[in-house]
Amino acid sequence: TQLLEQSPQFLSIQEGENLTVYCNSSSVFSSLQWYRQEPGEGPVLLVTVVTGGEVKKLKRLTFQFGDARKDSSLHITAAQPGDTGLYLCAGASAEYGNKLVFGAGTILRVKS
Amino acid sequence: SAVISQKPSRDICQRGTSLTIQCQVDSQVTMMFWYRQQPGQSLTLIATANQGSEATYESGFVIDKFPISRPNLTFSTLTVSNMSPEDSSIYLCSVVMPGQSSYEQYFGPGTRLTVT
Repeated sequence: TQLLEQSPQFLSIQEGENLTVYCNSSSVFSSLQWYRQEPGEGPVLLVTVVTGGEVKKLKRLTFQFGDARKDSSLHITAAQPGDTGLYLCAGASAEYGNKLVFGAGTILRVKS
Repeated sequence: SAVISQKPSRDICQRGTSLTIQCQVDSQVTMMFWYRQQPGQSLTLIATANQGSEATYESGFVIDKFPISRPNLTFSTLTVSNMSPEDSSIYLCSVVMPGQSSYEQYFGPGTRLTVT
């Protein structure tokens, strides 16, 4: 059982479309991170959210942390081919010894 | 963030042999970790590399199979011992920068290991 459930697992869209990736858990997280990983590379940290209800924006990417700190979403506006990659959410929870646990990831492909 | 390098970037090894993976950072870091990312799966923490002392292993990982060294604040090694095809995976080191939360980790490029 994945501690952090990500959906969808795979997303293929056209350039210019919007998309949302979800990260859900039944546990409360003290913080949650989003990473992007490209083939042959390690994950790159995009953002950290720590406060329930927090919203952070990074250019065309909007990250939200749920009010109860059990879920998060990543919204991309006007997706570009350069957004293609594996998006991973990761979180730290006292329930799991405050170790960083990762979701299974969402593979995003943006076609031009 | 820091510049993190791993050597080798990839290798093909025969079963029964061992491979040591190096992780080098261009500045001192507070924490270093080793993860495994099996094909089509997410990242799983193997252990925390402790400077000057034995690593702290997660459930399912043991020192005899994955010995780890961390002689200083910028360098760590992970050895995959007595390899089997099930060890085929990407191995990643990550670091925590001084003054940052242990949850904000920066990753190396990974080492892609194939065991035949």
